[in-house]
Amino acid sequence: DIVMTQSPDSLAVSLGERATINCKSSQSVLDSSDNKNYLSWYQQKAGQAPKLLIYWASTRESGVPDRFSGSGSGTDFTLTISSLQAEDVAVYYCHQYYTTPPWTFGQGTKVEIK
Amino acid sequence: EVHLVQSGAEVKKPGESLKISCKASGYSFTRYWIGWVRQMPAKGLEWMGIMWPVDSDVRYSPSFRGHVTISADNSVSTAYLQWSSLKASDTAMYYCVRREVAGTVDYWGQGTLVTVSS
Repeated sequence: DIVMTQSPDSLAVSLGERATINCKSSQSVLDSSDNKNYLSWYQQKAGQAPKLLIYWASTRESGVPDRFSGSGSGTDFTLTISSLQAEDVAVYYCHQYYTTPPWTFGQGTKVEIK
Repeated sequence: EVHLVQSGAEVKKPGESLKISCKASGYSFTRYWIGWVRQMPAKGLEWMGIMWPVDSDVRYSPSFRGHVTISADNSVSTAYLQWSSLKASDTAMYYCVRREVAGTVDYWGQGTLVTVSS
């Protein structure tokens, strides 16, 4: 199984500052046949179901604010919130969908306001 | 608009059986994978399994194979997750999810809280 490891486990960022979450996979999730990274990011606010933010490592889901961006390839990925807003307080999960299902999530990163 | 509407919270005793449901609407049910994700209290997300409704092909995570059954009734666009004998460790929130044929999970149900306690 592909293991997804996120860092840090939690971070506190001041409003308006940048938040960066890293995700490392134990093997590459880049498919050479279509040159796509099978990596997505989800946001889970307290008491709510997760919500898709980013797929194919860097494609923003419709309706997601452009302060959220994804980058990386192969085994190393990053979710960046360029200017943290109060409503961004949540747990963020990376997720690989490269292998045959079912897939795997990272352990989650909790983002709070400093 | 796509919706995945799950059945309500359940309180059960160890050893009891349970079947929870997820009714899909707003899209063609048989053109997407549908699956289940577990979230134990204050923990992360775990894949349980996923089904292709057309032929009922189910892929279980090794951790859940043999302990749960995933099924669907295409005539009512509804997926199910069932247990024949619950354990206290099954206490969790369970989410149904939709997955594009060659993509990621794009929609989640609201979750069903299952509490197993004697």
